[in-house]
Amino acid sequence: SQQGEEDPQALSIQEGENATMNCSYKTSINNLQWYRQNSGRGLVHLILIRSNEREKHSGRLRVTLDTSKKSSSLLITASRAADTASYFCAVPNQAGTALIFGKGTTLSVSS
Amino acid sequence: GAGVSQTPSNKVTEKGKYVELRCDPISGHTALYWYRQSLGQGPEFLIYFQGTGAADDSGLPNDRFFAVRPEGSVSTLKIQRTERGDSAVYLCASSLRGDGAYNEQFFGPGTRLTVL
Repeated sequence: SQQGEEDPQALSIQEGENATMNCSYKTSINNLQWYRQNSGRGLVHLILIRSNEREKHSGRLRVTLDTSKKSSSLLITASRAADTASYFCAVPNQAGTALIFGKGTTLSVSS
Repeated sequence: GAGVSQTPSNKVTEKGKYVELRCDPISGHTALYWYRQSLGQGPEFLIYFQGTGAADDSGLPNDRFFAVRPEGSVSTLKIQRTERGDSAVYLCASSLRGDGAYNEQFFGPGTRLTVL
């Protein structure tokens, strides 16, 4: 079963706007990762936030983690058409041997 | 350097046939993962290799699925007696060490399998 669940399922915005995606999970985690997938391609790692971190930045990306609410958010600022993709959160499985992914948020940025 | 590569990029087969999907991980990465992604879903874990051995194969859906990594580098996912429900994109990922659930995983472009 998939532990990470993203919200919303789909998001359409204009270039220059900010995009916020949320992720909820069910059990205690060591870390949470965000990946991007362009249509028909593999996943690209964006950012990893550990359970003892509350916020992390990477370029135009900002990730927050609230372990008490078992939720995370990914903010993309000043979005560009090239940000159009699907975004997935992922958490370790209980054995720590693999990642469990959510269903993803499909982001469309129009110019 | 080269990333994770997967061949073929597309595979169309008939129900009941046998298929092999190949993954070349990043050189030096000891951990290798196979995932399966159905349309509109996130990747689902199939199997994890640490070196040559399958450290966790709990995600394989049934005994028609098998994977090997004989020399600790290239891996082959084998599917016997394919069914239409096996149609999906099969993704391979690798990580430097066997703690890919705690660090970044590097994904290949995937093999799109279609079973007619």
